[in-house]
Amino acid sequence: EPEVTQTPSHQVTQMGQEVILRCVPISNHLYFYWYRQILGQKVEFLVSFYNNEISEKSEIFDDQFSVERPDGSNFTLKIRSTKLEDSAMYFCASAIAGFSDEQFFGPGTRLTVL
Amino acid sequence: RKEVEQDPGPFNVPEGATVAFNCTYSNSASQSFFWYRQDCRKEPKLLMSVYSSGNEDGRFTAQLNRASQYISLLIRDSKLSDSATYLCAALGAGSYQLTFGKGTKLSVIP
Repeated sequence: EPEVTQTPSHQVTQMGQEVILRCVPISNHLYFYWYRQILGQKVEFLVSFYNNEISEKSEIFDDQFSVERPDGSNFTLKIRSTKLEDSAMYFCASAIAGFSDEQFFGPGTRLTVL
Repeated sequence: RKEVEQDPGPFNVPEGATVAFNCTYSNSASQSFFWYRQDCRKEPKLLMSVYSSGNEDGRFTAQLNRASQYISLLIRDSKLSDSATYLCAALGAGSYQLTFGKGTKLSVIP
């Protein structure tokens, strides 16, 4: 069964450093998403991406964040200058269609900012 | 503000029991609803979509009540492997953003 994959599984970084989290969505999916989950809290939407551009973003997704689809398979989330409060699980998800469609999640990257 | 609310539990039930979870949503424009299962420190895994007519998948039944703005999940004949946190999620009309509840923790006890 096709799956969303993410690398690395765990990333430790110093405050102020840049990190790039990588995702390979399911191959025939066209819509891509990033969510995050701070320990003990809800899963929160960050951004959605379709046709090589951002289609929607939340208040969390400020200028420190960016997304890119550098090639036909990868989808990345960059955090330019990490803060302590960026420590969380970051989940990538993908869907075949957009509105009303089921989103399938990858295993996540645990980001720890020291 | 779009919110999805769930009873956090925990629900501790014996094997074989039937258990039901409810979830309420505040955005009346929400169009699509889902139940996800999340094991500790893992990703949400899609359990089922929720339709107005209700839907059933084996031991799991999901219902949507638009008038009262809640969705429900019924698990029959609980198994030890059902122990997890169950998240409900709503997708607004014209939005790509899934809004999740905080989840309901289920422990099935031998």
